[in-house]
Amino acid sequence: DTAVSQTPKYLVTQMGNDKSIKCEQNLGHDTMYWYKQDSKKFLKIMFSYNNKELIINETVPNRFSPKSPDKAHLNLHINSLELGDSAVYFCASSQGLSASPLHFGNGTRLTVT
Amino acid sequence: EDKVVQSPLSLVVHEGDTVTLNCSYEVTNFRSLLWYKQEKKAPTFLFMLTSSGIEKKSGRLSSILDKKELFSILNITATQTGDSAIYLCAVASSGTYKYIFGTGTRLKVLA
Repeated sequence: DTAVSQTPKYLVTQMGNDKSIKCEQNLGHDTMYWYKQDSKKFLKIMFSYNNKELIINETVPNRFSPKSPDKAHLNLHINSLELGDSAVYFCASSQGLSASPLHFGNGTRLTVT
Repeated sequence: EDKVVQSPLSLVVHEGDTVTLNCSYEVTNFRSLLWYKQEKKAPTFLFMLTSSGIEKKSGRLSSILDKKELFSILNITATQTGDSAIYLCAVASSGTYKYIFGTGTRLKVLA
């Protein structure tokens, strides 16, 4: 019974395409996040939603648009994909605002060719 | 700017050795420091530290926080090959609501 689940696990696509990654958590948490992990394994925050409200929006290109239909779901849509977008994208959730540990999904490995 | 620095970047040891991983930070409105282990997939939670000087322990792993000197250490005793992973340190800020990660320490334990 997966706590934070992301789909798809792998995404291979060409430059210029638009793609989406979906995330769902069944932990009852009220805060969800998107992190990007580069080839050096550095995890960088992209977005965070608390009870469907955007609270963190880092310096991320406008091509990236998160959407939270409810507090258990956080999706990430990427327009006009570029080579530099290739990375592993992790969804995570926590209870409260930076008050409890992050629980991560298994990641989506995006490869842009 | 908030930052978290881990050292060493990588480490190779033999089974049975003891290792100490370091994490130093500069964060406004510090709330807590967290340690994670990442093998092939998702980072998995190890410890959350909020108070100085109180050791958290789980089996062969232990960690302690020094809020005055702004660092934490993660100790692993009697290492096993299954301890091979990237160990990530993160600091939670109550001001920005962010969890800021360090670059990680890549540990390899040889049989």
